[in-house]
Amino acid sequence: QKEVEQNSGPLSVPEGAIASLNCTYSDRGSQSFFWYRQYSGKSPELIMFIYSNGDKEDGRFTAQLNKASQYVSLLIRDSQPSDSATYLCAVNVQAGTALIFGKGTTLSVSS
Amino acid sequence: ETGVTQTPRHLVMGMTNKKSLKCEQHLGHNAMYWYKQSAKKPLELMFVYSLEERVENNSVPSRFSPECPNSSHLFLHLHTLQPEDSALYLCASSQSSQGNTEAFFGQGTRLTVV
Repeated sequence: QKEVEQNSGPLSVPEGAIASLNCTYSDRGSQSFFWYRQYSGKSPELIMFIYSNGDKEDGRFTAQLNKASQYVSLLIRDSQPSDSATYLCAVNVQAGTALIFGKGTTLSVSS
Repeated sequence: ETGVTQTPRHLVMGMTNKKSLKCEQHLGHNAMYWYKQSAKKPLELMFVYSLEERVENNSVPSRFSPECPNSSHLFLHLHTLQPEDSALYLCASSQSSQGNTEAFFGQGTRLTVV
């Protein structure tokens, strides 16, 4: 059973702080990793993807991948109340099938 | 219209009804998907179509029947559903079904089975 695990939260951070969201996956052969943001009542929207070990930065967002430890994380710098949402980690499995999603972590940024 | 559009946005149906969900993608993608999102559970992959052929069926009950007449359209036919089938049904598309390209989601259909 291919699994993607996330702490459901809620993760609460004050405005301006760094929010750190973590995800682990079970399939060592996974190749592609995605972070989606989902506001309440809305559909998921892609924030970032990462394929290689290390860090990838895009504005206030940084994705970090460690394939040896089988985890991927998302850092949000200078968190804003508008970042309050559920963040979904998604991974492709080795067989090349569709993305498998974690349950998501709910982030709450207080002003 | 751009992106992935789903209709209807909300649907209430009885357990003996037959209804269909519709999805259309305007992105020129080759793969389309149905996901189910229930409260407190991960997004569950239901069906994958690549170039109009079904390539994956994740042990979904036969009361859910997908149809992909062309690469831009995807349907989910529903009949004799159960109350536990109430959920948000999300359609998505991607350039390929190999999981190494991002999936774009429609707004979803909120289904309630009474």
